[in-house]
Parts: sequence; C-alpha cells; structure tokens
Amino acid sequence: NFMLTQPHSVSESPGKTVTISCTRSSGSIASNYVQWYQQRPGSSPTTVIYEDNQRPSGVPDRFSGSIDSSSNSASLTISGLKTEDEADYYCQSYDSSNSWVFGGGTKLTVL
Amino acid sequence: QVQLQESGPGLVKPSETLSLTCTVSGGSISSYYWSWIRQPPGKGLEWIGYIYYSGSTNYNPSLKSRVTISVDTSKNQFSLKLSSVTAADTAVYYCARITVAGTDWGQGTLVTVSS
Repeated sequence: NFMLTQPHSVSESPGKTVTISCTRSSGSIASNYVQWYQQRPGSSPTTVIYEDNQRPSGVPDRFSGSIDSSSNSASLTISGLKTEDEADYYCQSYDSSNSWVFGGGTKLTVL
Repeated sequence: QVQLQESGPGLVKPSETLSLTCTVSGGSISSYYWSWIRQPPGKGLEWIGYIYYSGSTNYNPSLKSRVTISVDTSKNQFSLKLSSVTAADTAVYYCARITVAGTDWGQGTLVTVSS
C-alpha cells in the first residue's frame, strides 16, 4: 500500500497565499482522486476539495486543488488567507481496492 | 440538507465490542456509500470502512478482522461493530455520507475504552 505525506505544520499571514502538499509514496498520484478536508478546532471535518480540484457548493473559490505528476503530489492552495482558515487539513485518496488512505494532516496557523 | 448523528455508549471495557449507530435525517439512506472514520485524541484520521445501501462493504485491512458495518434501510440507519477493543481504539468516531460531490460528516462521538 502507499502513504500520503503532508507537512506537519505551515503558517502564513492573513491575506497571503499558502500551499499544503500531499505526496504519494508509491503509485501515481493521478491514478486515484484526491480529496481535502478542513477540520477546525473542536469540529468535525468538512470537504473543501473533491476529485483533485472540485469545490463543493459553499466553499469559497479561495480554496483550490491540483495534482503534479512530476512530484507525485497533490496540493491545496488557499489564497487571501483569513483567520477562520486556521485549521487542520487532511488529504485523502484511494488504493487499488478503493480503501481510503489519509495523510497525517497539516496544521495551518494564520498569524 | 442531510444530517448524520452518531449514538452509542461512550465507555466500553477492554475485550468487549464497541457498537455505534448513525441515524440519517433529511435524506434517504437508500443511495450513496456510508462510512465510519475515527480519530484518536490529538491524532489524525483513520478510515474504518464503508457500506453501500445494498449491503456491500469495504473495510480497512488493518481492522477487517474486527469490524462489521451494517445498514438498516427501514430505520435510515447504519451501524458499526468493532470487537475485542483495547485502549488503542479510544477515539472520536465519525459517520459520513460519501457522495460524488464530497463527503458529509457527522459531529462525531467519543468512545473511551477503559475498565
């Protein structure tokens, strides 16, 4: 099976842009869709990106997703950072058996 | 707007079976995939498994020998059973609906394994 590796933490100032990476250890990142979940402190996760780069209704267009086959990674980019974006972010994909695989999560601090 | 609500004991003894139910409101359970995910305190997310409304299942290989997920369409509910629990199974357990436009999550319920 494969692992999804995320940075433990990132920080950026309000109004700036931040990118969180999610690197797949084996197999192609393009072979299975990647989702991204936001988990604010004390709350359950919510979907911010599905199918690599799609936003659910209600998610602002400041959130975008992409994949890069050259680095075998997916990325979540948040532009125009707001303090409300401070949260843990998890990537998730599927293996060949359609079992879910989560990244370890990234803590985003907006300071 | 679908809502998911987990229910079940908050405390389970070691070696016993953890049982949780997720009640779905605001929509029918008779479509989509339905999943259980857990999060140990202060740690990341772990997928447990999912079930299709027709009853077909897929489980995390690391938990497969201890997990059963079932669905009751008449009650609009699906359930999780995890046998032979240990302290390592202490976590917030989330139920979720998997759709083509993302995953909808319940609020989660903390289950502590302790004697």
